[in-house]
Amino acid sequence: DAKTTQPPSMDCAEGRAANLPCNHSTISGNEYVYWYRQIHSQGPQYIIHGLKNNETNEMASLIITEDRKSSTLILPHATLRDTAVYYCIVRVRGFGNEKLTFGTGTRLTIIP
Amino acid sequence: NAGVTQTPKFQVLKTGQSMTLQCAQDMNHNSMYWYRQDPGMGLRLIYYSASEGTTDKGEVPNGYNVSRLNKREFSLRLESAAPSQTSVYFCASSEIGQGRRVSNQPQHFGDGTRLSIL
Repeated sequence: DAKTTQPPSMDCAEGRAANLPCNHSTISGNEYVYWYRQIHSQGPQYIIHGLKNNETNEMASLIITEDRKSSTLILPHATLRDTAVYYCIVRVRGFGNEKLTFGTGTRLTIIP
Repeated sequence: NAGVTQTPKFQVLKTGQSMTLQCAQDMNHNSMYWYRQDPGMGLRLIYYSASEGTTDKGEVPNGYNVSRLNKREFSLRLESAAPSQTSVYFCASSEIGQGRRVSNQPQHFGDGTRLSIL
């Protein structure tokens, strides 16, 4: 699986959009980009994933650059409950090969 | 919806004791996983089971054994606990996507077992 690079920490004002970057310059054509978050000491929570097109769901939007070497997770209207560690993961798709490799992520703090 | 349930939530062991961590999922998922998370670090995969009846080693399998009891349950056993195994343990499950070569379904995690070994 490709290695990812994320800033260790970020702050965002409550109500503003939080934009979390991720670099994955060695990503392969068959690797998806996944985002998870971990709130305090809970289990990781799936947010969104994509291959090459931008994706949006009820939680967030995922913007993947055309060369797929980087992506941005956007939380459109951050709330205090969005304070968490956010993990960007790239994973090969394939039958029975669903292992996730977690890095240290970005600690996002939402400021009141 | 319970999702992924882990028991116990907390446990303290003495060095050399054995213990089994239990995990059950009610989402009819084929694949299940065990991770550990040490302070300030990301999760590391211990073992996984792509389907009922199969198990495979992950990144840090030494000192652990697993059993895929049935489709719902996947247990992790520490035969002789060591202080280095003090950690938070997470179980996860996922579905294999439709089509033999498509596997992009997200993993769903339990809330973890906090294990301390003295």
